[in-house]
Amino acid sequence: KQEVTQIPAALSVPEGENLVLNCSFTDSAIYNLQWFRQDPGKGLTSLLLIQSSQREQTSGRLNASLDKSSGRSTLYIAASQPGDSATYLCAVSGYNTDKLIFGTGTRLQVFP
Amino acid sequence: GAVVSQHPSWVICKSGTSVKIECRSLDFQATTMFWYRQFPKQSLMLMATSNEGSKATYEQGVEKDKFLINHASLTLSTLTVTSAHPEDSSFYICSAPHRGDTEAFFGQGTRLTVV
Repeated sequence: KQEVTQIPAALSVPEGENLVLNCSFTDSAIYNLQWFRQDPGKGLTSLLLIQSSQREQTSGRLNASLDKSSGRSTLYIAASQPGDSATYLCAVSGYNTDKLIFGTGTRLQVFP
Repeated sequence: GAVVSQHPSWVICKSGTSVKIECRSLDFQATTMFWYRQFPKQSLMLMATSNEGSKATYEQGVEKDKFLINHASLTLSTLTVTSAHPEDSSFYICSAPHRGDTEAFFGQGTRLTVV
């Protein structure tokens, strides 16, 4: 059974810092991995998707890497801003299924 | 990207009543939709897979008689929480895969409070 874990569970940093959020999964037979952002009481915003054949994806200040063999992904946030404060979730999908297994989440707070 | 609309965004109901949540794919057809549940400060847990024209597939530990799922058309899936209890209070969110895209598209979520 696939299990997805994220560390740290919570993070509080001053703005301007570069951040690394970690995601690990137990079964390396994934089809893709997605990173989402969730604001309190809100739905999910898709940030980045990495196919199993890819090693990284970039969007603005965000960069996500994937090491499938070791079961790890990292989300790198450059020059963090207070507006980045949210919960970040990673999720993996397997082959022949569209359902996602979500990680435990990292609650990020960036203070001015 | 594709749009998935979920309604209502929040609902308060009395214990013992039933609540229906709708999930619609607005600009594409979805033969499959997924229903997730999220308790406060916890991650999303898959409850069931909704299949158009057939029975839903429930994850282990999810009561199918309590969480009724109907996927009557290619653009609509509904989740009905029957005989709701306070412990059913949670954030429910649906998603639909869009053929041609590999990312998942999510509804806005429904905050259910049972009093």
